Amino acid sequence: AQKVTQAQTEISVVEKEDVTLDCVYETRDTTYYLFWYKQPPSGELVFLIRRNSFDEQNEISGRYSWNFQKSTSSFNFTITASQVVDSAVYFCALSEAVGQGGSEKLVFGKGTKLTVNP
Amino acid sequence: EAQVTQNPRYLITVTGKKLTVTCSQNMNHEYMSWYRQDPGLGLRQIYYSMNVEVTDKGDVPEGYKVSRKEKRNFPLILESPSPNQTSLYFCASSLSGAWTEAFFGQGTRLTVV
Repeated sequence: AQKVTQAQTEISVVEKEDVTLDCVYETRDTTYYLFWYKQPPSGELVFLIRRNSFDEQNEISGRYSWNFQKSTSSFNFTITASQVVDSAVYFCALSEAVGQGGSEKLVFGKGTKLTVNP
Repeated sequence: EAQVTQNPRYLITVTGKKLTVTCSQNMNHEYMSWYRQDPGLGLRQIYYSMNVEVTDKGDVPEGYKVSRKEKRNFPLILESPSPNQTSLYFCASSLSGAWTEAFFGQGTRLTVV
């Protein structure tokens, strides 16, 4: 069964610090997709990134970067030079592909609440 | 504007009184799903639908029903709400499956007393 673990419940940093949010996943499929979503204090859920299991290249988007390592089943998210606007709950999620008889489900981790203090 | 619309945004109801939370998307997405968000538990999938007339259970389907009679609409039905269904509910849609980017509604905060 799919499982996503975000061991860090809450993280607090000071503005301009770098911060890494951890995500560890479990799946029996070889084809799967990983996601990160952001939930700011206003409550909406915002898509950040999707990665498929065959693409282990790290991705960078501005101050955000993602490190996907199949060997450790991890998909970590780093914010460089954090800002107050980065304060939010961040969710990692996993979906197995249909083609291999996997489910259509999207499984979320419990989330990491990031607080960036000025 | 591409969006997923949920109604109502807030609802307080009494135990046992049937209610429906509506969800509509205007992106012609095939996949739609419902989640509930509870403190310390993250988001858990209730039901999902791959297309019209195709629905299936997620991880926490007990006490809920859904229907998908039209592609754009995916209502969540609580036939006999109980206090343990007090939660924040999100509807989401994706182009073709759970492996594609999900667009979420604004959320519905439900309180059952």
